Amino acid sequence: AQKVTQAQTEISVVEKEDVTLDCVYETRDTTYYLFWYKQPPSGELVFLIRRNSFDEQNEISGRYSWNFQKSTSSFNFTITASQVVDSAVYFCALKGNTGKLIFGQGTTLQVKP
Amino acid sequence: EPEVTQTPSHQVTQMGQEVILRCVPISNHLYFYWYRQILGQKVEFLVSFYNNEISEKSEIFDDQFSVERPDGSNFTLKIRSTKLEDSAMYFCASSVMRDTQYFGPGTRLTVL
Repeated sequence: AQKVTQAQTEISVVEKEDVTLDCVYETRDTTYYLFWYKQPPSGELVFLIRRNSFDEQNEISGRYSWNFQKSTSSFNFTITASQVVDSAVYFCALKGNTGKLIFGQGTTLQVKP
Repeated sequence: EPEVTQTPSHQVTQMGQEVILRCVPISNHLYFYWYRQILGQKVEFLVSFYNNEISEKSEIFDDQFSVERPDGSNFTLKIRSTKLEDSAMYFCASSVMRDTQYFGPGTRLTVL
């Protein structure tokens, strides 16, 4: 069975703090993709990053960075120097051999000024 | 930048009524999906559609649901007889191949 677990339900930080959102996944597929999506208060789902199972290189995009560790089945997301506009629900998702995305429960991030 | 669009943004209906939610996927995309998100919960897969037929569906997608691509641009989700528990945000998504899915802004369905 495929499963995504985001153990942190809510995180609250003060602006400029760094914050890491955890994601742990389960799959028996040898080839799979991992994703992070952002859901701001307006409700839409915004794609942030995709990683395939053969690429364990960490990635940095501005203040965002992602750490993929196959050995621990984790795909964590770090926001450096958080800003109020980062306040949103963040979803980690897994896609295996079929096309569907399996989402985690989401982590609500609140960044206070 | 091309994006997925959905109409209406909010639909209110009475229990037992039929609703049709509409989506216009990104024009060169070949795979289409519907997901739903009950308030405060995670996003759940409903159905995927490729080459004018359903390629996969979840257990949620029972006989009350159907999808259609009536023309070259629209992709619709029909719920034949709505129930209270169908109240949710419904998201359409599309992808070029079975890779990154881009989501529309969602339709909030309220069943009274």
